[in-house]
Amino acid sequence: KNQVEQSPQSLIILEGKNCTLQCNYTVSPFSNLRWYKQDTGRGPVSLTIMTFSENTKSNGRYTATLDADTKQSSLHITASQLSDSASYICVVADRGSTLGRLYFGRGTQLTVWP
Amino acid sequence: GAGVSQSPSNKVTEKGKDVELRCDPISGHTALYWYRQSLGQGLEFLIYFQGNSAPDKSGLPSDRFSAERTGGSVSTLTIQRTQQEDSAVYLCASSLDWYEQYFGPGTRLTVT
Repeated sequence: KNQVEQSPQSLIILEGKNCTLQCNYTVSPFSNLRWYKQDTGRGPVSLTIMTFSENTKSNGRYTATLDADTKQSSLHITASQLSDSASYICVVADRGSTLGRLYFGRGTQLTVWP
Repeated sequence: GAGVSQSPSNKVTEKGKDVELRCDPISGHTALYWYRQSLGQGLEFLIYFQGNSAPDKSGLPSDRFSAERTGGSVSTLTIQRTQQEDSAVYLCASSLDWYEQYFGPGTRLTVT
């Protein structure tokens, strides 16, 4: 069964601190892995997309890593800001479907305190 | 440019009533997706349209759910005889290729 598991479920950090969110998946055959940020009341917005051959990708203060062998990914946030408070969703696309059938994790709810 | 828009933003309906949710994708995007996000749950795939091909309906939870896409653009998700368990945020996304999906703000449906 294709699944995406994220940890922790929620996280509270102080402004300026770093944090790392984890994602494990069983989706096969693998096509790509995405991290989305979803602000409350908004639709998800893409942060990074990584294919099988990529093991790290950055987008500003966000750095995602991918280990396709162990089927794990992480999202590292550097120097957190209050605006980083959101749900971070790990999404994996399978290669067996056209145009990317996506499997979503439940998300990690990040709260950044001043 | 304009992103994906959805209407209404909020819908409260009584159990047993039918509802229609609308999605306006980004102009030119050939693919359109509907997802459901229940409280504390991940997004759940419902249905996918790609061009003129037959839609992938494999995610629809019951025959009370249906969707259509007219003229390859606007899509309507219809839920008949709504139940309380249908309460969720319904998200629409569109894409031009496999690489990126752009999400709308969602419609929050509450069935009382």
